[in-house]
Amino acid sequence: AQTVTQSQPEMSVQEAETVTLSCTYDTSENNYYLFWYKQPPSRQMILVIRQEAYKQQNATENRFSVNFQKAAKSFSLKISDSQLGDTAMYFCAFMKPGAGSYQLTFGKGTKLSVIP
Amino acid sequence: DTGVSQDPRHKITKRGQNVTFRCDPISEHNRLYWYRQTLGQGPEFLTYFQNEAQLEKSRLLSDRFSAERPKGSFSTLEIQRTEQGDSAMYLCASSAGSTQPQHFGDGTRLSIL
Repeated sequence: AQTVTQSQPEMSVQEAETVTLSCTYDTSENNYYLFWYKQPPSRQMILVIRQEAYKQQNATENRFSVNFQKAAKSFSLKISDSQLGDTAMYFCAFMKPGAGSYQLTFGKGTKLSVIP
Repeated sequence: DTGVSQDPRHKITKRGQNVTFRCDPISEHNRLYWYRQTLGQGPEFLTYFQNEAQLEKSRLLSDRFSAERPKGSFSTLEIQRTEQGDSAMYLCASSAGSTQPQHFGDGTRLSIL
């Protein structure tokens, strides 16, 4: 079974600064997908960024980028130029493709607060 | 594309009562998922539908839980004889394909008195 670990329950960052959220995972699979989801307070979860394990290039989406280290099973999220709207819970998630549901396995989340 | 819709947003009920939640996925998304999220935890997979077929169920889904997607569009999740431990946020997600992103609804927060 796959497990996802987010070792930082809470983090804070000053507005306009850069912050990195950590995620490690455990799997014996070689092909899989990794995701970062954002859940603002009392609002729905939205996809921030995704990474396919067979791609060596790190994914980027505007101010969001990942550092994917497959051998180390590490998948960190970097948020540049932090904005107040980035305040949210951030969840790292793993998906194993192949036969089956393609369900997401989530970590416990990191609560990020952006301070004005 | 109006997004994934869940109803109700909040449900408060007494222990032992039955409750039913509804999820309307994004139209033409053939995959529909139910997850449960308890306080301080990430969402946990409950069950999955491809069109109208329920193809996978988690061991978290006890006999008191049943889910349907009768016409391959909306889905319902019913909990019978609710218990304190059922208090959680129930999230629905849909996707257009196996490796396509899952889009989540706002969730239904269930509180058991």
